[in-house]
Amino acid sequence: SQTIHQWPATLVQPVGSPLSLECTVEGTSNPNLYWYRQAAGRGLQLLFYSVGIGQISSEVPQNLSASRPQDRQFILSSKKLLLSDSGFYLCAWSSGSGANVLTFGAGSRLTVL
Amino acid sequence: TQLLEQSPQFLSIQEGENLTVYCNSSSVFSSLQWYRQEPGEGPVLLVTVVTGGEVKKLKRLTFQFGDARKDSSLHITAAQPGDTGLYLCAGGLSGGSNYKLTFGKGTLLTVNP
Repeated sequence: SQTIHQWPATLVQPVGSPLSLECTVEGTSNPNLYWYRQAAGRGLQLLFYSVGIGQISSEVPQNLSASRPQDRQFILSSKKLLLSDSGFYLCAWSSGSGANVLTFGAGSRLTVL
Repeated sequence: TQLLEQSPQFLSIQEGENLTVYCNSSSVFSSLQWYRQEPGEGPVLLVTVVTGGEVKKLKRLTFQFGDARKDSSLHITAAQPGDTGLYLCAGGLSGGSNYKLTFGKGTLLTVNP
């Protein structure tokens, strides 16, 4: 069966510090991978998605970047965090076929102070 | 632009009551998914509907996709405290890449014992 792992679960960082959130998927190959941000427990904003190694699409201009160094690894990064980067970050994967159902990780809570 | 509008945003009811939440759009979707999210966790898929007019039942939950595939509803019968959570609808746009889902802002449901 497929599983998705996301870490760290919680992170408190000062403004201006770097960020790295990692996500890995097991039990499938060539998944579509996604990073979402959720503010105040409400709707999900798509930040990045990837349909293959090295292929990254950015949805909104921001202080973040994403990379996919391996087929089942997706990394969200920042060189210098802003206060506005605080939020709940969710990684997800899908097979990319049919209705493109997403399976989410458990999320990473980022607080920038 | 918010393509999916969910209503109500907040709903607090007593155990045993029935409720309906709505997901509306001016866009036609090739598929529509409902997710439930508990605090501090990632959303979990409840159902996917793909055919206009489709009705799916999941125990006490009934999902309906509008005939024109622009809207959906979720009806819960005899709500229980375990139904508490954030209910999110997400649509895949027809005619374009289905890689990206558009999420509504969610309905936060609280069922009081």
